[in-house]
Amino acid sequence: ETGVTQSPTHLIKTRGQQVTLRCSSQSGHNTVSWYQQALGQGPQFIFQYYREEENGRGNFPPRFSGLQFPNYSSELNVNALELDDSALYLCASSLQTGGGYEQYFGPGTRLTVT
Amino acid sequence: AQSVSQHNHHVILSEAASLELGCNYSYGGTVNLFWYVQYPGQHLQLLLKYFSGDPLVKGIKGFEAEFIKSKFSFNLRKPSVQWSDTAEYFCAGGNSGGYQKVTFGIGTKLQVIP
Repeated sequence: ETGVTQSPTHLIKTRGQQVTLRCSSQSGHNTVSWYQQALGQGPQFIFQYYREEENGRGNFPPRFSGLQFPNYSSELNVNALELDDSALYLCASSLQTGGGYEQYFGPGTRLTVT
Repeated sequence: AQSVSQHNHHVILSEAASLELGCNYSYGGTVNLFWYVQYPGQHLQLLLKYFSGDPLVKGIKGFEAEFIKSKFSFNLRKPSVQWSDTAEYFCAGGNSGGYQKVTFGIGTKLQVIP
């Protein structure tokens, strides 16, 4: 167990709907990253939040957005869901220091879009 | 472009056999490299990491990896695998400093036969 929790575990939505996924970071971690893992693929970086600001983004459209709260928990919001958004969504928390970093992953939220 | 490639997508070994999983990266600048493991039904766990210093890195459960800068490689090794090593293994990399975008390889499914 890493101390990173995600909710819900599973979710089924219809194309065109909106979804919010939640993540609680490991205690003391000030950075959270979100990843999408499609079936048979490695996780793909969506974006990262550091001290409540987005400080990096992968190749995902603006309908993927996020928030980080003062307690470092985070949300991932996806608008106008498409069938291809069906995937496992992973949250990872880390502590940003001057040197390297380690990301600790949560169990993920399995999103199915029908 | 930053990329991580894994050569073997599916590996089947007998118990006690030696393991080597290939990973190559394409990054400019100083790189942080990781191997993650995902056991069936569990979340991603960090096996080992390389930030700097000794290029031979030892991780948990008897795994090690060697960073060879001239070959842009970070191969994972274990001298003698066990049935409990059956899992999916992901190589990942990111630039040190800045924001922590981590790029994952496609993953290698390892099946160890008793």
